[in-house]
Amino acid sequence: DAGITQSPRYKITETGRQVTLMCHQTWSHSYMFWYRQDLGHGLRLIYYSAAADITDKGEVPDGYVVSRSKTENFPLTLESATRSQTSVYFCASKGSGGWGEQFFGPGTRLTVL
Amino acid sequence: GQQLNQSPQSMFIQEGEDVSMNCTSSSIFNTWLWYKQDPGEGPVLLIALYKAGELTSNGRLTAQFGITRKDSFLNISASIPSDVGIYFCAGQVQGETSGSRLTFGEGTQLTVNP
Repeated sequence: DAGITQSPRYKITETGRQVTLMCHQTWSHSYMFWYRQDLGHGLRLIYYSAAADITDKGEVPDGYVVSRSKTENFPLTLESATRSQTSVYFCASKGSGGWGEQFFGPGTRLTVL
Repeated sequence: GQQLNQSPQSMFIQEGEDVSMNCTSSSIFNTWLWYKQDPGEGPVLLIALYKAGELTSNGRLTAQFGITRKDSFLNISASIPSDVGIYFCAGQVQGETSGSRLTFGEGTQLTVNP
């Protein structure tokens, strides 16, 4: 299906485990973004990527790792999950043109026990 | 970091009423965007604004890019139950060259009573 998809939609894991959240977009957008959404904090940028093999930190990058070997995929890895990383994670993408419009995936709800 | 002040934080209205919410910033923005998020879903783009003073409509929704470029408002006319959700403003700060990053407001939770 066209658009931006995330998997899994729901994930429960334990403290200390490694978790990878997947994001895939079919628009060939240059830019991709990872946000986390928590009550009282709105959407906070974790990492973003301007193109394949180009990534940069956002507002809250600690504890997260990203990679982007292909334009369409932008996985987010929690190398050693902590309870404070319990959140809803959204991936977004944006074309190289335009004026800033980002398009969001459906989100992954992650619970760290 | 950059902050966007969005108000009100929540609204409880009756079906048929009009709604207004706004965002303000201390910085100048190039672009203002308004998103809606339904429960369990990702934010969906409603309206994009590109020029100071611009007034844009999308059905019952109207948004304006403030003249000072530091604020924007969203109006919803004749609200209906499906308008329920969280509305976010977002903007791209003037001079932002780092990957088209957006700054988001904290959202307005809208509840519409039938």
